[in-house]
Amino acid sequence: EAGVAQSPRYKIIEKRQSVAFWCNPISGHATLYWYQQILGQGPKLLIQFQNNGVVDDSQLPKDRFSAERLKGVDSTLKIQPAKLEDSAVYLCASSPHRTGVNEQYFGPGTRLTVT
Amino acid sequence: TQLLEQSPQFLSIQEGENLTVYCNSSSVFSSLQWYRQEPGEGPVLLVTVVTGGEVKKLKRLTFQFGDARKDSSLHITAAQPGDTGLYLCAGVFGNEKLTFGTGTRLTIIP
Repeated sequence: EAGVAQSPRYKIIEKRQSVAFWCNPISGHATLYWYQQILGQGPKLLIQFQNNGVVDDSQLPKDRFSAERLKGVDSTLKIQPAKLEDSAVYLCASSPHRTGVNEQYFGPGTRLTVT
Repeated sequence: TQLLEQSPQFLSIQEGENLTVYCNSSSVFSSLQWYRQEPGEGPVLLVTVVTGGEVKKLKRLTFQFGDARKDSSLHITAAQPGDTGLYLCAGVFGNEKLTFGTGTRLTIIP
């Protein structure tokens, strides 16, 4: 079974530029997550989708971050404009979502450096 | 916001030694997971514990869930260089949102 795919793996941009990340979850997983992981810390949830609907985006900085999952499969996360503090690894995860357990399967992440 | 604190934050030991890392919260988990993350990769699920007092073993790794379901520990016996990585606990609370701990960065010295 193929795992969660993400691209690109690395991205370097200047502040105020825009960037987009792509994620393809495990086939059949209805729930998709985007996390931000700053070096040395645990992942922080940015947004959670159930099929193509948003379940939780309470920690998404909506003035600059946006995400979509139009057909309930692939997802994109965009940052516009980027700030220096956005430098982090952006992880996508998917889950088959059993009630009360919520086991998640992660992609390799995209390492973003903002200069 | 539920917080999970892990200790120690960093641990460096010799190959063959034993170690224990801890995950603590003031809130009750409905379930708790442990992940290991290697450099340049995403976290990989190691185990899920659900019942208070539950103990699960995965080869040389032993995971324990506290009786009150507020804490957990991971014990590694005879550590090997391949055990090196960032160990993350993650708790599921009443709303089923997964919250990650602060992480323990483990280095095993050959």
